[in-house]
Amino acid sequence: DAGVIQSPRHEVTEMGQEVTLRCKPISGHDYLFWYRQTMMRGLELLIYFNNNVPIDDSGMPEDRFSAKMPNASFSTLKIQPSEPRDSAVYFCASSSRWGVEAKNIQYFGAGTRLSVL
Amino acid sequence: EDQVTQSPEALRLQEGESSSLNCSYTVSGLRGLFWYRQDPGKGPEFLFTLYSAGEEKEKERLKATLTKKESFLHITAPKPEDSATYLCAVQAYMDTGRRALTFGSGTRLQVQP
Repeated sequence: DAGVIQSPRHEVTEMGQEVTLRCKPISGHDYLFWYRQTMMRGLELLIYFNNNVPIDDSGMPEDRFSAKMPNASFSTLKIQPSEPRDSAVYFCASSSRWGVEAKNIQYFGAGTRLSVL
Repeated sequence: EDQVTQSPEALRLQEGESSSLNCSYTVSGLRGLFWYRQDPGKGPEFLFTLYSAGEEKEKERLKATLTKKESFLHITAPKPEDSATYLCAVQAYMDTGRRALTFGSGTRLQVQP
């Protein structure tokens, strides 16, 4: 498997614009996680899904952030409108309830570096 | 609230100079403690999971240990390719089977040849 795939790798946008980040989890994984990483706050969980259903969105900072998982192979994280303080690296990760990965081993994508000017 | 504190923030070693990284945690009930490695421009890569005090895991030059309050990542005779940021994370035990991880801020390790 190619691993967790995120796109785009880099995104530069202006304040107020809508931003959509995309993620394709590892095939067969039933958990999907969105994280944000900054120098100040480190790696923070934003939201996670199980079988395409959002389970915990307590980390979503504001209503400007929304996440969807329309099917088992695709998820989006949307920021509307974007602000400079949203600048960070956003990671997607996936895991499985089965086998070794039942121990909640999460596999991360390469991330999307977002810069909001 | 679950908390994870890693020390030191940064560590510079000479090749072959062994050392340890620390991860102190506060969690209502520990379901698992995870170590990840992160290279610049990449996502975290899983290394180890520990579940109970006294448990140890090894992989090449790395050994992770766990007590009731902290975990150590021991690096024996490191090589320059071990240079990376090492992240520690905890998963709290909850009946709902919650899978959220709380990460520490990491230790940035640099191994010089």
